[in-house]
Amino acid sequence: DSGVTQTPKHLITATGQRVTLRCSPRSGDLSVYWYQQSLDQGLQFLIQYYNGEERAKGNILERFSAQQFPDLHSELNLSSLELGDSALYFCASSAQGSEQYFGPGTRLTVT
Amino acid sequence: GESVGLHLPTLSVQEGDNSIINCAYSNSASDYFIWYKQESGKGPQFIIDIRSNMDKRQGQRVTVLLNKTVKHLSLQIAATQPGDSAVYFCAENMGRRSYIPTFGRGTSLIVHP
Repeated sequence: DSGVTQTPKHLITATGQRVTLRCSPRSGDLSVYWYQQSLDQGLQFLIQYYNGEERAKGNILERFSAQQFPDLHSELNLSSLELGDSALYFCASSAQGSEQYFGPGTRLTVT
Repeated sequence: GESVGLHLPTLSVQEGDNSIINCAYSNSASDYFIWYKQESGKGPQFIIDIRSNMDKRQGQRVTVLLNKTVKHLSLQIAATQPGDSAVYFCAENMGRRSYIPTFGRGTSLIVHP
């Protein structure tokens, strides 16, 4: 167990809908990262937050957004969902300058 | 463009053998490299890392070798066990301020009892 929790574990929704994925980092970790893992693209970095502020952005679509709250948990919002958004979404956390610990992921299926 | 890639998509070994998983990177500015293990249905798990000022680092049953001359990284697993069966990713970090690894596609390691 990495200490990072993600909810929900599975999510099935229809095209055009909006969903919110939630992540709670390890106790004491200030950084949260979001990744998308699909069969054809591998593990892709989406966005990083550090202590509530956006720190780095990767291949994140404009339809996607994230935030980190004062209690350090983070949410990833995916809107206007398309079939191609079906993937595993991982959250990871780290202390500054150290390795990332990944959560168990949320499997999103868009039908 | 710059990329991180793996030579072999699948590696099959017998239990007890040593395994070697290879990775090529193309960004000479990368200064930090990480190996992750991902078991089925789980998130990636940190195995071992190495900084560019080193060429070898050992952990428990694992060794990472870095050859900066040919931009090559390898993960050696000694006495491979069935529990080592997983997908292994190498990742490189190309920024000193942000710890954002770029992942390769992964190699599936299958250990036969």
